[in-house]
Amino acid sequence: DVKVTQSSRYLVKRTGEKVFLECVQDMDHENMFWYRQDPGLGLRLIYFSYDVKMKEKGDIPEGYSVSREKKERFSLILESASTNQTSMYLCASSLNEQFFGPGTRLTVL
Amino acid sequence: QKEVEQNSGPLSVPEGAIASLNCTYSDRGSQSFFWYRQYSGKSPELIMSIYSNGDKEDGRFTAQLNKASQYVSLLIRDSQPSDSATYLCAVRLARQLTFGSGTQLTVLP
Repeated sequence: DVKVTQSSRYLVKRTGEKVFLECVQDMDHENMFWYRQDPGLGLRLIYFSYDVKMKEKGDIPEGYSVSREKKERFSLILESASTNQTSMYLCASSLNEQFFGPGTRLTVL
Repeated sequence: QKEVEQNSGPLSVPEGAIASLNCTYSDRGSQSFFWYRQYSGKSPELIMSIYSNGDKEDGRFTAQLNKASQYVSLLIRDSQPSDSATYLCAVRLARQLTFGSGTQLTVLP
């Protein structure tokens, strides 16, 4: 079974803090993705990566950056958290079929 | 125009009935098609994938694809209250998935 894990299920941060969300997959997948999901807006792609040290912007990259130093690990960074980044963050990995991690519910106060 | 559209919900069916979920997509180059189930507060879970025209059955689930009509559907036979969830249609073009906004299904006991 594919396993995608995320570092935290719930996270509370203050405005202006730097936030790291980590994602690890154990299936040697090339592709990894970060989404956010908000009520009424659906799943929106933030960034994705198709190889180590490679990254591509998704639909809403502003305010975020990513890092992929190893194939199994893909990190999402909020350089200076803001209240409008309060959301559910979902990591996924794929060869063809895409599998999601459990999600991190981030609250920025 | 949205790239992936799903029939607006919510959809309610009685227990034991067939639930029919529909999805249309705009890009004729789309290659692969997926259905995800998402329970409230949880991450999306892949339940069906389909790659060629026709039907694909897996237990109580049947996915149907018609590329000429740019249409994909999911039928759930013998619906159970545990099937109550939001169902997301996803379409793959190149490395990315594009998701529909989801259809909320309620199965009434």
